[in-house]
Amino acid sequence: AQSVTQLDSQVPVFEEAPVELRCNYSSSVSVYLFWYVQYPNQGLQLLLKYLSGSTLVESINGFEAEFNKSQTSFHLRKPSVHISDTAEYFCAVSDRGGATNKLIFGTGTLLAVQP
Amino acid sequence: DTAVSQTPKYLVTQMGNDKSIKCEQNLGHDTMYWYKQDSKKFLKIMFSYNNKELIINETVPNRFSPKSPDKAHLNLHINSLELGDSAVYFCASSQDWGTVHTEAFFGQGTRLTVV
Repeated sequence: AQSVTQLDSQVPVFEEAPVELRCNYSSSVSVYLFWYVQYPNQGLQLLLKYLSGSTLVESINGFEAEFNKSQTSFHLRKPSVHISDTAEYFCAVSDRGGATNKLIFGTGTLLAVQP
Repeated sequence: DTAVSQTPKYLVTQMGNDKSIKCEQNLGHDTMYWYKQDSKKFLKIMFSYNNKELIINETVPNRFSPKSPDKAHLNLHINSLELGDSAVYFCASSQDWGTVHTEAFFGQGTRLTVV
């Protein structure tokens, strides 16, 4: 069975500062990794994903995440945040074999960007 | 042109009532899901349907009955509502059973409050 741990429930940061949202996973099989973002009162949107290939993946709005197999981590980073980045961020995994074919989510991290 | 739409967006009802939440996707996807997000923002899969067939049922009480009249619709009916059913329910879809790892599209959620 897979599980996802997001240790930080809330990360306050000032605008234009860098940020890292941590995600660790546990799985006995190879996984696909995702970050989803939930803006206030909205549904989830895919931010970025790691399927294979380069371990560093990027989103169109400046976020990046790096898959680290040895540390079983998929931390999300942004060098300079904006007020508009304020949202809940969810890390998720699904197993590569497709046996269960479902997304397992972490408990989310609220990124609170302050002016 | 909403990709995954749910109705209603908000639902307030009394304990013991029966209610339904509707979900429709216009993406031509084969696979649809229901997720429950509790008050701590934890997201957990409830059901998954592929081409109108139930694939995943995550030990959800029998009071919850999904219905898929066609592959573009997955409705959720809840009998004898309890206080603990209060949550945000998200519908989602993916292209087919084997592609949850590409992207899952989520609706905006239905906030159910049982009083």
